[in-house]
Amino acid sequence: DTAVSQTPKYLVTQMGNDKSIKCEQNLGHDTMYWYKQDSKKFLKIMFSYNNKELIINETVPNRFSPKSPDKAHLNLHINSLELGDSAVYFCASSQDLGAGRSAQHFGDGTRLSIL
Amino acid sequence: AQKVTQAQTEISVVEKEDVTLDCVYETRDTTYYLFWYKQPPSGELVFLIRRNSFDEQNEISGRYSWNFQKSTSSFNFTITASQVVDSAVYFCAPTGTYKYIFGTGTRLKVLA
Repeated sequence: DTAVSQTPKYLVTQMGNDKSIKCEQNLGHDTMYWYKQDSKKFLKIMFSYNNKELIINETVPNRFSPKSPDKAHLNLHINSLELGDSAVYFCASSQDLGAGRSAQHFGDGTRLSIL
Repeated sequence: AQKVTQAQTEISVVEKEDVTLDCVYETRDTTYYLFWYKQPPSGELVFLIRRNSFDEQNEISGRYSWNFQKSTSSFNFTITASQVVDSAVYFCAPTGTYKYIFGTGTRLKVLA
């Protein structure tokens, strides 16, 4: 039983396209996150949602738009893809309410490659 | 402002050696939590351990042990009798209310 699942695992697309990454967790957690990991393995939080409400929005271009239809899902839509968007995107969840006290459970990542 | 430092970018050890990974977290917050995550070559991120800022007691769990010293802002993680399967990138990740930071990671290579 996969706790945090994200699809697709690989995404190869042309510059300028629009794409979405989906994430679902079956842990019953209240909080979900999107992280970006660059080629140097540097991990940075992008967004966090708590019970469908946005609680963290780091300095991310507004081409990136998260959507949480319910607390078990947090999708990431990216418009007008650029070369610099190439990275691995991780979805995560935690039972946390934003206090930071709980471990995060991560999906396996989506490797996005922009041609 | 918070700052997390993993000064060791890469460590190589021979199997069965002990290895300690260092992490320094500088913050003015009094309440925070410290996590270590492991990222093996397969790419997934795996939670290893968690401590809070109030608890400086050392702990041991199997081959893992950790030492937190608030006075020096250090949160170190030791693997005893390392194995090849321990080869991975290890991230120190402090958190607080609405704050989630990852260190730059330490790549551990365990050689057979």
